[in-house]
Amino acid sequence: AQRVTQPEKLLSVFKGAPVELKCNYSYSGSPELFWYVQYSRQRLQLLLRHISRESIKGFTADLNKGETSFHLKKPFAQEEDSAMYYCALKGTGANNLFFGTGTRLTVIP
Amino acid sequence: KAGVTQTPRYLIKTRGQQVTLSCSPISGHRSVSWYQQTPGQGLQFLFEYFSETQRNKGNFPGRFSGRQFSNSRSEMNVSTLELGDSALYLCASSLASQGEQYFGPGTRLTVT
Repeated sequence: AQRVTQPEKLLSVFKGAPVELKCNYSYSGSPELFWYVQYSRQRLQLLLRHISRESIKGFTADLNKGETSFHLKKPFAQEEDSAMYYCALKGTGANNLFFGTGTRLTVIP
Repeated sequence: KAGVTQTPRYLIKTRGQQVTLSCSPISGHRSVSWYQQTPGQGLQFLFEYFSETQRNKGNFPGRFSGRQFSNSRSEMNVSTLELGDSALYLCASSLASQGEQYFGPGTRLTVT
């Protein structure tokens, strides 16, 4: 069965500090991994997908199949990064997403 | 291009009643997925429709059902409402069956 684990419900960092939001997954096949973000009073939106291997708003995430992890990182946090972040998995051949429970990131000015 | 829209945005129902929620996908998108979001269970997949056919279904009781129309608009129905059905119901559309999902603002359902 598939599972996405985000161990931190809350994470606070100071502006300019590095940030890492953890995500571990369990899936028997080759999943597709995503990070979604929800800013205050906005709808859920895609931030990153592992197959694109790009950096969005300074965030990067690398899929580590050995550790079954897909941690989200940013070297210098900004106040506008404060939001709810969800890690999600899509199984092979499927279009539905399995979400982690989310991490609320607060960047302290 | 207009985003995914959901109606109504807020709804209050009584236990035992039924409710229908509507989702209009982005123009040209043929896949619509529904998710339930609660503080306790987080975001959980309900079902996905593609070209009027249900392609996938999550682990929810039969009281939860849905359909998709020829214009790709989708509705979900919950019958015999229970207090635990109180949640934010999100709809997401994608261009193809494997495409990026774009989420709507959600419908907040409160069951009293």
